[in-house]
Amino acid sequence: AAGVIQSPRHLIKEKRETATLKCYPIPRHDTVYWYQQGPGQDPQFLISFYEKMQSDKGSIPDRFSAQQFSDYHSELNMSSLELGDSALYFCASSLLDEQYFGPGTRLTVT
Amino acid sequence: DAKTTQPPSMDCAEGRAANLPCNHSTISGNEYVYWYRQIHSQGPQYIIHGLKNNETNEMASLIITEDRKSSTLILPHATLRDTAVYYCIVIPIRGNQFYFGTGTSLTVIP
Repeated sequence: AAGVIQSPRHLIKEKRETATLKCYPIPRHDTVYWYQQGPGQDPQFLISFYEKMQSDKGSIPDRFSAQQFSDYHSELNMSSLELGDSALYFCASSLLDEQYFGPGTRLTVT
Repeated sequence: DAKTTQPPSMDCAEGRAANLPCNHSTISGNEYVYWYRQIHSQGPQYIIHGLKNNETNEMASLIITEDRKSSTLILPHATLRDTAVYYCIVIPIRGNQFYFGTGTSLTVIP
């Protein structure tokens, strides 16, 4: 069965640079979620989109923005990167209530 | 914020049943109990969810107490590949934000 696709899988950036993470949901899923998992921490909800509109917002920094496009894929844009942004970033998608997670993007900020 | 309490760690012998408890004493009538697991830095994997009744699927069984204040996830025949962090999550119907909490680190021992 098709799963959530995230790209890139690994990304290395320097402080103050920008990064864009992409998420391709499972076909026919209309909702996308973004989570951040720091080293040794649990996943933290950032933001979600339903039918291309922002539906909920969690602990997403103002330096980050996201959107969902007409084909339902989503992008998380991160600017003025800080060392503390180094983390795994997971995207999940859903049609009903269960969220299905992608493999994640590991972002390292040096 | 997490609405659940789980033991931080548990061990289980391979081939035996693993019973993972979760306390959610403040659960509301419109909130589901979800279980996910995360195998070392992989994306969280959906296991099972329920509202009031006990549920079973090919992966596990979910036993919810009559007062809904606690639940138990049962892996009937644990294997080494079940070693993971297991998260019990309470979320409203059509809710967006999954609060993962600290989970239970299950180690299956040969």
